[in-house]
Amino acid sequence: NAGVMQNPRHLVRRRGQEARLRCSPMKGHSHVYWYRQLPEEGLKFMVYLQKENIIDESGMPKERFSAEFPKEGPSILRIQQVVRGDSAAYFCASSRGQGLTNEKLFFGSGTQLSVL
Amino acid sequence: AQRVTQPEKLLSVFKGAPVELKCNYSYSGSPELFWYVQYSRQRLQLLLRHISRESIKGFTADLNKGETSFHLKKPFAQEEDSAMYYCALTTSGTYKYIFGTGTRLKVLA
Repeated sequence: NAGVMQNPRHLVRRRGQEARLRCSPMKGHSHVYWYRQLPEEGLKFMVYLQKENIIDESGMPKERFSAEFPKEGPSILRIQQVVRGDSAAYFCASSRGQGLTNEKLFFGSGTQLSVL
Repeated sequence: AQRVTQPEKLLSVFKGAPVELKCNYSYSGSPELFWYVQYSRQRLQLLLRHISRESIKGFTADLNKGETSFHLKKPFAQEEDSAMYYCALTTSGTYKYIFGTGTRLKVLA
């Protein structure tokens, strides 16, 4: 089992461009979570998805950010019209169940987004 | 508001010395506390959680509700313990982890 796979590892975008971050959960996991780590801060919850459903997006900025987890393929975090403040490490995690305390979260290696 | 505070950004100790990585939290209910570790070029991974009361790689952490702390300790540091350590909190039955800013532990030979 290769674990949670995120790509790309590093993504450079100019202001105004779009950024697409991909996350393939561990085999057998149907719950995906995205976290963002801004410089000098801890990881912060963004969104929780199950296949074809957004369960909780309370941590997502209201504009320019969207996430999906289609029936087939990886989960995608999409940032439109990126700004410098979007520069951060974006981590994806997955779990077999609902991420309750007896469920372990498995993290990917993260995508470092740099906006020029 | 729920918060996790790790006051030290960097902690350097010599090999064989005791280690204590501090973590304080604020939450009015009953939290679940965790320590995650990220070794160089590796993924963030769970080290231990307070409900398990376990010792992993020689590390232990005790939840002190009176002091709202969950400090990570190891009596004798090893060079391979050098990594980034994150304390995290969640409330029972939810998936929204709140992470501290992390402490980089450097164990010197």
